[in-house]
Amino acid sequence: GENVEQHPSTLSVQEGDSAVIKCTYSDSASNYFPWYKQELGKRPQLIIDIRSNVGEKKDQRIAVTLNKTAKHFSLHITETQPEDSAVYFCAASKGNQFYFGTGTSLTVIP
Amino acid sequence: NAGVMQNPRHLVRRRGQEARLRCSPMKGHSHVYWYRQLPEEGLKFMVYLQKENIIDESGMPKERFSAEFPKEGPSILRIQQVVRGDSAAYFCASSPWTGDTGELFFGEGSRLTVL
Repeated sequence: GENVEQHPSTLSVQEGDSAVIKCTYSDSASNYFPWYKQELGKRPQLIIDIRSNVGEKKDQRIAVTLNKTAKHFSLHITETQPEDSAVYFCAASKGNQFYFGTGTSLTVIP
Repeated sequence: NAGVMQNPRHLVRRRGQEARLRCSPMKGHSHVYWYRQLPEEGLKFMVYLQKENIIDESGMPKERFSAEFPKEGPSILRIQQVVRGDSAAYFCASSPWTGDTGELFFGEGSRLTVL
């Protein structure tokens, strides 16, 4: 089956700095890569996703890059704000199966 | 369009009792997933169901755990003879599956505490 690894497990940045979270996957057949944000005690919510036919996607301060050859994808958050503090999960999907990374706890220090 | 609805939100059980967690997917969604999240850990896949069918239960313990998604009514995750290690948040997610992989929509979770 698919194996998704996510790093780092915790990340602290100063407000205004950038944050980068990286994931690798093992199954080259995976073709959909969503990122979810989970605030404390809340449900995970999709913040951005990318499909395998695209190398990069951006939505305001959030961007995701995908390297299919190396089987890794990354989440980039620029100009971080305290409300960005949360746990972020990457996932790799093929067909209707989703495999999640172990999460990154991001803390933005005001 | 209501989101994914889970109940109960919080459930307390004593060791040996049964826990039943319910999930109503979003309207029009026929695919349901259950994930378990231990404190400060990731989302661990348990089971994936379509109406009346279990598609993949590779993440579910072989004993004490079962899941169903009947033709009518919510999906149910059932844990028999609960133990303290079952204490966790159980998240349900649904997707419409239009023939191409798409977003998973999560419920608010059911937090099980085993005393």
